[in-house]
Amino acid sequence: GNSVTQMEGPVTLSEEAFLTINCTYTATGYPSLFWYVQYPGEGLQLLLKATKADDKGSNKGFEATYRKETTSFHLEKGSVQVSDSAVYFCALSGGRGRASGSRLTFGEGTQLTVNP
Amino acid sequence: NAGVTQTPKFQVLKTGQSMTLQCAQDMNHEYMSWYRQDPGMGLRLIHYSVGAGITDQGEVPNGYNVSRSTTEDFPLRLLSAAPSQTSVYFCASRQQGASQETQYFGPGTRLLVL
Repeated sequence: GNSVTQMEGPVTLSEEAFLTINCTYTATGYPSLFWYVQYPGEGLQLLLKATKADDKGSNKGFEATYRKETTSFHLEKGSVQVSDSAVYFCALSGGRGRASGSRLTFGEGTQLTVNP
Repeated sequence: NAGVTQTPKFQVLKTGQSMTLQCAQDMNHEYMSWYRQDPGMGLRLIHYSVGAGITDQGEVPNGYNVSRSTTEDFPLRLLSAAPSQTSVYFCASRQQGASQETQYFGPGTRLLVL
């Protein structure tokens, strides 16, 4: 079956530091890959996505490249801000059945804290 | 649009009690899903629905029932709560034909079962 593995957290950085959160996946076929962000007290929001190999998703200064050869989708940001403090989830689409489009497989989440 | 709304925000139950977690969306989305979020485990799919009158099981359906009588509402029922169901529950919806996995999540319901 499909699975997503994220680097263990929590991650604590100083403002303007470089961020990498690792994500690797196992899936059949050609999944789409996503990063979701969950700010304190809120639901998950889609941060960025990539739908095929070598695609780069980007949003709000965050980037991730779909690497099929290494089955990875690592999240990066060159200079983090205090407002980036949140939980980040890597996810992939896939699965079988009539509603495969609603079946997301999530990683365990990585808590990021950015200190001023 | 209010988006995806969930009620209650927080609930405490005793073992064996029943309750219904409400989820509603006003975006006319066909697909709706329930997830539970547990520390170190990410989100796991409980049940989902592809439209009114159609539901199916997800990854962890045991102990939960759902129904979909309208497009807007997708309630999640716990018939006999257990401490293992202590979790944060998220409802999500997606429009048929939209970008494949662009789901809208509700703010969540925190459930504590004693």
